[in-house]
Amino acid sequence: GENVEQHPSTLSVQEGDSAVIKCTYSDSASNYFPWYKQELGKRPQLIIDIRSNVGEKKDQRIAVTLNKTAKHFSLHITETQPEDSAVYFCAPAGGSGDKLTFGTGTRLAVRP
Amino acid sequence: GAGVSQSPSNKVTEKGKDVELRCDPISGHTALYWYRQRLGQGLEFLIYFQGNSAPDKSGLPSDRFSAERTGESVSTLTIQRTQQEDSAVYLCASSLMGSPNTEAFFGQGTRLTVV
Repeated sequence: GENVEQHPSTLSVQEGDSAVIKCTYSDSASNYFPWYKQELGKRPQLIIDIRSNVGEKKDQRIAVTLNKTAKHFSLHITETQPEDSAVYFCAPAGGSGDKLTFGTGTRLAVRP
Repeated sequence: GAGVSQSPSNKVTEKGKDVELRCDPISGHTALYWYRQRLGQGLEFLIYFQGNSAPDKSGLPSDRFSAERTGESVSTLTIQRTQQEDSAVYLCASSLMGSPNTEAFFGQGTRLTVV
């Protein structure tokens, strides 16, 4: 099965600074790379995803970059705001029918 | 329905009793997941259903845990002889596997407290 690791496990940044979270996976067949955000007391929700045919995707202040050779992908948040405080999970997946395997999560705290 | 629905939202049960948790996935979603999330912890995979394939039960922590799914609709997670360490939020998610978008949509969860 897929082995997924996230680093760091916790991250504290000053409002306005950038945050980067890295996800390392083991299955070279993985071709779908999403990031989920879970705010306190709420359900996880998809915030951005990328497929293996592109190296980077951006959506306003968030971006995801993929390095298939090294088997890792990263979440980048620029100009962080207090509402970005949450736990972030990566969940790489392989071909059709393969389940999502969630990473251990990264708790991000944005200090006002 | 508009999203994944779970019931009950909260359940308090006595140690040793059996509980049944229900998940109604988004209509048409072939994949369904159950996760356990202890307070302040990550998502612990329990079981995965995908269409008519045999379920992936590799995450079930003991034989006290079981789950069923009727076709591509409702799923129930049963915990027998509950223990205090079973206290957690149980999250269900569904997705449309095999399509360009395999986003998983989560229910609001069932908070289980074993006393």
